Amino acid sequence: AQSVSQHNHHVILSEAASLELGCNYSYGGTVNLFWYVQYPGQHLQLLLKYFSGDPLVKGIKGFEAEFIKSKFSFNLRKPSVQWSDTAEYFCAVISSGTYKYIFGTGTRLKVLA
Amino acid sequence: DGGITQSPKYLFRKEGQNVTLSCEQNLNHDAMYWYRQDPGQGLRLIYYSQIVNDFQKGDIAEGYSVSREKKESFPLTVTSAQKNPTAFYLCASSPGTGPLYGYTFGSGTRLTVV
Repeated sequence: AQSVSQHNHHVILSEAASLELGCNYSYGGTVNLFWYVQYPGQHLQLLLKYFSGDPLVKGIKGFEAEFIKSKFSFNLRKPSVQWSDTAEYFCAVISSGTYKYIFGTGTRLKVLA
Repeated sequence: DGGITQSPKYLFRKEGQNVTLSCEQNLNHDAMYWYRQDPGQGLRLIYYSQIVNDFQKGDIAEGYSVSREKKESFPLTVTSAQKNPTAFYLCASSPGTGPLYGYTFGSGTRLTVV
């Protein structure tokens, strides 16, 4: 069965620190990959997505993610986090030919001012 | 502004009662989805609907029911058969059923059994 793993459940960083959140999926075929963010009290919103082409994807608010097919990974990165990045981050996968997301369990990021 | 409206924001249910969560969208999206969010478990798909008058079970459909009589509405009923209904429920929609479309999420309903 397809699954998505986010190994970091809670991450605490100081402002200006670099961020990398891990996401690994288990599916051997073509996948489409997403990162969603849920700020406190707000809707889930799309951060970035990968369908094909350049494996380094840039999203909103300075986030980027790199698709490494050989590692089945789609890690989220940001060079310098801000207090306002405090949120929960979800990785999600849709395999080719399907229509529904498989979500990871989420990573709660807390950025200390 | 276009979006998804979920109501109520907070809902309390007594043991043995059915309750219905509302989800309305004015985005003209074809597909709608219900997810359940529990701490440490991410989002799990309950039901989804690709077109009006059609819906499919997701991964955790037991104890839930839905209807899709109108394109803009996809209500979720949590029945008394759902053993652990206390959770945060999210409704989402997308303009198509393929992976090219991201989801638009509602703000959620927090259901508590008392």
